[in-house]
Amino acid sequence: GAGVSQSPRYKVAKRGQDVALRCDPISGHVSLFWYQQALGQGPEFLTYFQNEAQLDKSGLPSDRFFAERPEGSVSTLKIQRTQQEDSAVYLCASSFTGVSEAFFGQGTRLTVV
Amino acid sequence: AQRVTQPEKLLSVFKGAPVELKCNYSYSGSPELFWYVQYSRQRLQLLLRHISRESIKGFTADLNKGETSFHLKKPFAQEEDSAMYYCALSGSAGKSTFGDGTTLTVKP
Repeated sequence: GAGVSQSPRYKVAKRGQDVALRCDPISGHVSLFWYQQALGQGPEFLTYFQNEAQLDKSGLPSDRFFAERPEGSVSTLKIQRTQQEDSAVYLCASSFTGVSEAFFGQGTRLTVV
Repeated sequence: AQRVTQPEKLLSVFKGAPVELKCNYSYSGSPELFWYVQYSRQRLQLLLRHISRESIKGFTADLNKGETSFHLKKPFAQEEDSAMYYCALSGSAGKSTFGDGTTLTVKP
């Protein structure tokens, strides 16, 4: 595809439900990032992959959050037992290397009710 | 710790007026600074980065290490510049820290 693709675009989950958010990076991009953006704030770093290796997960807010990129391409961010405070836009970005320009997806807006 | 501060949530100027969006950072090493822009209903995209020293869409930004600032400037604002602007710092591969953004409105 031409850019980073995220699905679904919108997700409404009942509190306590598990959700999975998908990111298709630009083909050939080694680095993949996940960010969480709460209303009125800037994106906050969650985790970073280089190929299939998760090199930094320091931003994951709790052990309910889990990310994977098993084949070094598509990535999934999973949130277990969702809480209202998880409501946010989740952004995925990819880049050719860790320090080159990052290209963002349009995000998944998660609302926990 | 990495920190980026954008002191203005909202900034409004008239078309043709100069505009400056402020960004201050804290980082102990040599940072790499970026400005990202998000136009209405579009995704976040890179506007410029300090190492390239480019002027994009008439915008420039100079890294001032003494004042730890990376303000974004344009001498003559256009209506199409209305957007949300984020300053970001990358201190090490993979982890970028963003400010909370400034909404720029350029009035006709």
